[in-house]
Amino acid sequence: EVHLVESGGDLVQPGGSLRLSCGASGFTFSSYWVHWVRQTPGKGLVWVARIKGDERSMNYADSVKGRFTVSRDNAKNTVYLQMNSLRDEDTAVYYCARGAYHLYYLDYWGQGTLVTVSS
Amino acid sequence: QSALTQPASVSGSPGQSITISCTGTSSDVGAYNYVSWYQQHPGKAPKVMIYDVNNRPSGVSNRFSGSKSGNTASLTISGLQAEDESDYYCISYTTSSTYVFGTGTKVTVL
Repeated sequence: EVHLVESGGDLVQPGGSLRLSCGASGFTFSSYWVHWVRQTPGKGLVWVARIKGDERSMNYADSVKGRFTVSRDNAKNTVYLQMNSLRDEDTAVYYCARGAYHLYYLDYWGQGTLVTVSS
Repeated sequence: QSALTQPASVSGSPGQSITISCTGTSSDVGAYNYVSWYQQHPGKAPKVMIYDVNNRPSGVSNRFSGSKSGNTASLTISGLQAEDESDYYCISYTTSSTYVFGTGTKVTVL
């Protein structure tokens, strides 16, 4: 069974940094893109970033480009989201999701981890 | 990248059909047939209902269907049921190799 679990969410001050993790199980991890999606409480979903299975390709939303970095350790079945220069508007629940194999949608999602940026 | 435009809310009575629109541009919705739709209940992770404009994943009711014309995609729910009351989001792959979500639609079953 496919399983994704996010961790690392916390309260952080504006300008600070935080690293989220997404642990995966139940599938051949290195064969799949993994995405990060965020949702401000009570608001809509926003796509953040994705990383290819072989680690050779990453893409970012304009709102986080230059501040966030997505990486992965296929030996540990884990994807990371390093978030720097955090702003109030980065406050959200962050989900990781698997990209469907050779398709352009997100087929399995984790339950999310809450990041709060506040002084 | 601006969010795709969806109506804030759509409502219908049990048994009726409703349609949710998702309007983008020639750089996202209009560029590829890579629009998918997600259902999200409060406090839960999203669940895919439609992918590649009009394909249903295994296990999703055939009451859900999708279509696209130009820069606008649509999700239709037929035979509306109480359990369909939820938030729905579209998402499209873009010509920049990124993705963009819609603004979201709250579906109410009257």
